[in-house]
Amino acid sequence: GQNIDQPTEMTATEGAIVQINCTYQTSGFNGLFWYQQHAGEAPTFLSYNVLDGLEEKGRFSSFLSRSKGYSYLLLKELQMKDSASYLCAVVDSNYQLIWGAGTKLIIKP
Amino acid sequence: GAVVSQHPSWVICKSGTSVKIECRSLDFQATTMFWYRQFPKQSLMLMATSNEGSKATYEQGVEKDKFLINHASLTLSTLTVTSAHPEDSSFYICSARAGLSDTEAFFGQGTRLTVV
Repeated sequence: GQNIDQPTEMTATEGAIVQINCTYQTSGFNGLFWYQQHAGEAPTFLSYNVLDGLEEKGRFSSFLSRSKGYSYLLLKELQMKDSASYLCAVVDSNYQLIWGAGTKLIIKP
Repeated sequence: GAVVSQHPSWVICKSGTSVKIECRSLDFQATTMFWYRQFPKQSLMLMATSNEGSKATYEQGVEKDKFLINHASLTLSTLTVTSAHPEDSSFYICSARAGLSDTEAFFGQGTRLTVV
C-alpha cells in the first residue's frame, strides 16, 4: 500500500530552527509537496521537490532523497505565525496526490 | 500561482436540507478537480476526483448519491451535500489541476459546513 509518515506534533521556540521529516512508500514518484495549513483554512503551497537535493526559499527549505524515500522541511528563524500544520504530499505514478496526516507545529515564545 | 475560488466560505444548514458548494478556477482551465473533506485535527481525505464532462470517481466509503459532484465545465465543479446530517459537518476543500502531468493542484479557500 501507499504510505506517508510524518510526526504528529512538534514544538519549537520562536527564533529557532525546526526540521519536519516525511518518509514515503508510494507506487511511483512524480514529486513531493509541502503545504502549510493554518487551522480552519485551506492548505497553502510551500515547496515542490522532484530532484534530489535541497531547495531553499527564504526561511523555508525542503530536501529530498528519492533513494531513501525521505524529505524534510526546514524552517529557520521561527515566528509565532509559523504555528500551523505542515502537510507532506507525494505525487504517485498516476499523478495522484498521496497525503500525509500532517505535523502540527507549535511555536512557543 | 493559479487561483481557485470556492464558495461559500461557510454555511449553516438544517438537517435534511441540501447544500451546494462551488469551486471555480479563475485563470486556468481545470481538467481535473478534487474534493476533500477534513475533520478537526485530521488530514485531508480525498472524497472524489472529477474530470470535466465525465462522472466523478469516488473514493471507497464515500456515498456518491449523497455527495453529488458535477464538473460541467473546465472552470467549475460543484459538490452538493444532499439530505445533510450533523455528521456531515466538516471542512470541505476543492483543488484543481490544469493537466494530467501538471503535478501541482491549487486549492480553494475551503467551506466550513455546519449542519444543525
